[in-house]
Amino acid sequence: QVQLVESGGGVVQPGGSLRLSCAASGFTFSNFGMHWVRRAPGKGLEWVAVISYDGSNKYYADSVKGRFTISRDMSKSTVFLQMNSLRADDSAVYYCAKDNWNYDWYFDLWGRGTLVTVSS
Amino acid sequence: SSELTQEPAVSVALGQTVRITCQGDIVRSYYVSWYQQKAGQAPVVVIYGKDIRPSGIPDRFSGSSSGDTASLTLTGAQAEDEADYYCNSRDSSGHHYVFGTGTKVTVL
Repeated sequence: QVQLVESGGGVVQPGGSLRLSCAASGFTFSNFGMHWVRRAPGKGLEWVAVISYDGSNKYYADSVKGRFTISRDMSKSTVFLQMNSLRADDSAVYYCAKDNWNYDWYFDLWGRGTLVTVSS
Repeated sequence: SSELTQEPAVSVALGQTVRITCQGDIVRSYYVSWYQQKAGQAPVVVIYGKDIRPSGIPDRFSGSSSGDTASLTLTGAQAEDEADYYCNSRDSSGHHYVFGTGTKVTVL
């Protein structure tokens, strides 16, 4: 079954850390770039980070650069998002998404998301 | 600028047609994709590339682009089309991505 399943969300205090995981199945994980996208309460979708198919390139939104790190484990078909120095405005549902190419990049598969709440 | 601006909200009568726009300079450089997000669910791609519909997406969804504006047209809106819709593109760096501000579609 082709799917992405996120885990690792929860409640964390400001300044704390959290590590999100996204387990992929049903496709050749090593062939595709993977992204994290979030949606804060009452807000729209925000792209967070991308890691290339082979892990050699990583890019981050300005809002998380220097605090978040994306990585992938090919042996486990899993992508991670290490989140440090968390702030209240990082509270959101975090989705992982798989990319694909047809004239340009797009997100063709999404997970159901994991909720992160940053609160004291 | 790497911003993508959409109408905050639109409403459409059942069976009628509505167009959502996505305006920004980067639309001139990259193909825009469109995502539907229903309440409590993950986003789903409805249009990508050169206005391509994924399998399983009804043909009442169509995309177009002209100049700095991309459009998603819903022809013959159904109750199940009520959702938030977002456009997306790479930004001017080519390595980052930006979502539009989002449009809430209400089917009356």
